[in-house]
Parts: sequence; C-alpha cells; structure tokens
Amino acid sequence: EDKVVQSPLSLVVHEGDTVTLNCSYEVTNFRSLLWYKQEKKAPTFLFMLTSSGIEKKSGRLSSILDKKELFSILNITATQTGDSAVYLCAVEAGDYKLSFGAGTTVTVRA
Amino acid sequence: NAGVTQTPKFQVLKTGQSMTLQCAQDMNHEYMSWYRQDPGMGLRLIHYSVGAGITDQGEVPNGYNVSRSTTEDFPLRLLSAAPSQTSVYFCASIREGKTGEIGEAFFGQGTRLTVV
Repeated sequence: EDKVVQSPLSLVVHEGDTVTLNCSYEVTNFRSLLWYKQEKKAPTFLFMLTSSGIEKKSGRLSSILDKKELFSILNITATQTGDSAVYLCAVEAGDYKLSFGAGTTVTVRA
Repeated sequence: NAGVTQTPKFQVLKTGQSMTLQCAQDMNHEYMSWYRQDPGMGLRLIHYSVGAGITDQGEVPNGYNVSRSTTEDFPLRLLSAAPSQTSVYFCASIREGKTGEIGEAFFGQGTRLTVV
C-alpha cells in the first residue's frame, strides 16, 4: 500500500522565521510529487517534482526531492501571516492515483 | 475560465438517502478524481478516472459510485448515505505531465456534506 507521511503535523512560528516541512513516501513506480497549499477552501498548487525536476523555487518557497532517500522538503523563508495554511504533499505512484499525506498545519503569528 | 465546477457547496442528508455530487471541467483533462477530506486525514481518494468510460476505485470507495460518460463530467453518487460519510468532498481535474505522469490537480470548490 502506498504511503505518504508528512511531518510535523503542525507548527507555530513567528513572522520572519523559516519553516521546513517534510514529506516521506513509500510507493511503487514513483512518477511525481506535488505540494499544495490549502487555506479555508480547495488546495492550490505550489510545486511538482519529478525525476527530471528535483528542485523548484518560487519566491520565498522552495522544494527539493530526494529520490534515493524517498522524501521531499518544502521550505518557506521570511514567513508572513499569509503563509498560515495546511500544506499537503501528494505522490503519484505510476497508476494515475494521487495519494495525499495528512498535511502540515502552519500557523504564522505576527 | 470556469475550470472545475462542483455542486452543491453544502448538503444535509438523512441516513439512507441518496444523492449525486456533480463535477464538470472545461480543460479537456483525461484524469479526474474524487476525494474526501476529514480532519487530520488529508485527502483520501474515493474513485478516479483516466478517461471517458474508464473508472477505478481509490482508497475509500465503499458507499460511492461514479461514472464517466464524457470527458467533461464525473459525478459521484452516494447510494445510501451514512453518518460516516459526513465529510468535505473535492473533485479534481488533473493535467497530464510532459511524460504522462500526473501533473497539477485543479480542485472544485468542495462540498460540505452532513449526514444526520
């Protein structure tokens, strides 16, 4: 059975801090790993990482994929209160099914 | 651009009632999925489809049916609602990546379902 495990489950930081979120996976025939941000409604896409793209960056957010050790990290630098959200990691295991982790709840205090 | 249209936003059902959650996309994506989200459990896959006429079960399919008669539409049917089906439901339409892998998923606005 495919597994996607995110850690920590939640964290609280202050504005300006750096946050590191972890996503480890055990799937057969890995093809892609995706990060999403979810505020009070539907998840919105952040990054997609594959064998041919193991590092992505957009503004204060960046992500890497370690295919050997089977994990990914999402970093948020200089956090702002608008970064408060649930961050979801999802993995496709080569069968067109996207499996999600339980998510990490990030709270950024002013 | 409509993207993914999911209806209704809210629904209250009595135990044993049936209903259909509607999902339509206008992006010509082959891949579509239904998820439910419960507190602390992320998104769990109910059913998915890789194209018109093709559906398959996900992680938690019991109590739900789907069909995919067109590329655009992917309705989810609750056959006989139970309190355990109280949840938030999301439909997703998924772009195919450059080498056939699953790419970015576009989500509907969600349906908050309560079964009493």
